[in-house]
Amino acid sequence: RKEVEQDPGPFNVPEGATVAFNCTYSNSASQSFFWYRQDCRKEPKLLMSVYSSGNEDGRFTAQLNRASQYISLLIRDSKLSDSATYLCVVDSSASKIIFGSGTRLSIRP
Amino acid sequence: NAGVTQTPKFQVLKTGQSMTLQCAQDMNHNSMYWYRQDPGMGLRLIYYSASEGTTDKGEVPNGYNVSRLNKREFSLRLESAAPSQTSVYFCASSGNRHTEAFFGQGTRLTVV
Repeated sequence: RKEVEQDPGPFNVPEGATVAFNCTYSNSASQSFFWYRQDCRKEPKLLMSVYSSGNEDGRFTAQLNRASQYISLLIRDSKLSDSATYLCVVDSSASKIIFGSGTRLSIRP
Repeated sequence: NAGVTQTPKFQVLKTGQSMTLQCAQDMNHNSMYWYRQDPGMGLRLIYYSASEGTTDKGEVPNGYNVSRLNKREFSLRLESAAPSQTSVYFCASSGNRHTEAFFGQGTRLTVV
């Protein structure tokens, strides 16, 4: 079983829709969680951190469920510019982080 | 304000040639990583280094060697390039727990 697993998608949704992704992790000792965004042929960049209490940044909401060992990302009122691949990131130790394979999102007009 | 710097950005190699990809970070991070990303695929960890002088294999280490020369630099070497190593290579670094990772802009390598 991979340490971090994501649904690869693609998710194809209309502009204005709400879309959510989940990411499961296997290490119950993990403490740090992030969502990254990767545009085509570019390097991944931090979208938001995921805190135990959840985190909201505009149209984006990230949640952590420790009991079930998953994190989620919710995008409301999706825009064409949200089309990208979304990667979840979890620490597997104090010195190592693990990237999920990513979920591809395509927003159609 | 450089962050993570990778060189070169593009490279074409012939099968059997060798080369070294360079990566340097100026954020005083302990951990550094090398990933490869094939078209339409996710990141796959080749090697990582938790601190200067230590390296560990990732998911796809075969055909690669690494060197953590000092805290700033982490290089990736292909001793005998193969077409299967055609990919985009990303270097990344991260600090202590709870801090984000930063990526270089990537090296687009083609082996013919």
